[in-house]
Amino acid sequence: QQPVQSPQAVILREGEDAVINCSSSKALYSVHWYRQKHGEAPVFLMILLKGGEQKGHEKISASFNEKKQQSSLYLTASQLSYSGTYFCGTGASGNTPLVFGKGTRLSVIA
Amino acid sequence: NAGVTQTPKFQVLKTGQSMTLQCAQDMNHEYMSWYRQDPGMGLRLIHYSVGAGITDQGEVPNGYNVSRSTTEDFPLRLLSAAPSQTSVYFCASSPDPSGTEAFFGQGTRLTVV
Repeated sequence: QQPVQSPQAVILREGEDAVINCSSSKALYSVHWYRQKHGEAPVFLMILLKGGEQKGHEKISASFNEKKQQSSLYLTASQLSYSGTYFCGTGASGNTPLVFGKGTRLSVIA
Repeated sequence: NAGVTQTPKFQVLKTGQSMTLQCAQDMNHEYMSWYRQDPGMGLRLIHYSVGAGITDQGEVPNGYNVSRSTTEDFPLRLLSAAPSQTSVYFCASSPDPSGTEAFFGQGTRLTVV
């Protein structure tokens, strides 16, 4: 069952912050975050594992609430290069395939 | 390293034709998978493999076959193409199903007319 992402789309001005949420109805082992530019392949941002810590990558970080089966991706001081579609992928265990959400389209404008 | 290589990048098929989408990886990953991407639907899992000789179905397997004779290759076969199979197809590989980073190929854009 696909995780649910919100919002579906968001428009930001350069320098603004955004939060993208990912929620699952199943207990989770892992949450992945990927960014996809138009016409390109998804690119890995980060992975959060059950029992792990909040991750950070430059101005992009993420959290994982295991009890609520939710993850959030935080983008701070957004740049034009942050534009794209963000996908979360969830794994119920280390041996089960990733299931992806429908994506959140992020547009950063000058 | 080439990573994950998909061929072809673009393909147009007529309804009823068959074809094979190729996927090869050079990272010695045990786990490989195929997804299709349709507007507003995200990435949906078609088939996956946890190692040579082992394959299993994902969310949307109907109309597709796979085999995994080597660690490197994981081809996806469309037996009798239908317009509903018009999509962008991505192959991915990783050391394991969901505990490590997945590497995606550049995709194959398939149109069935």
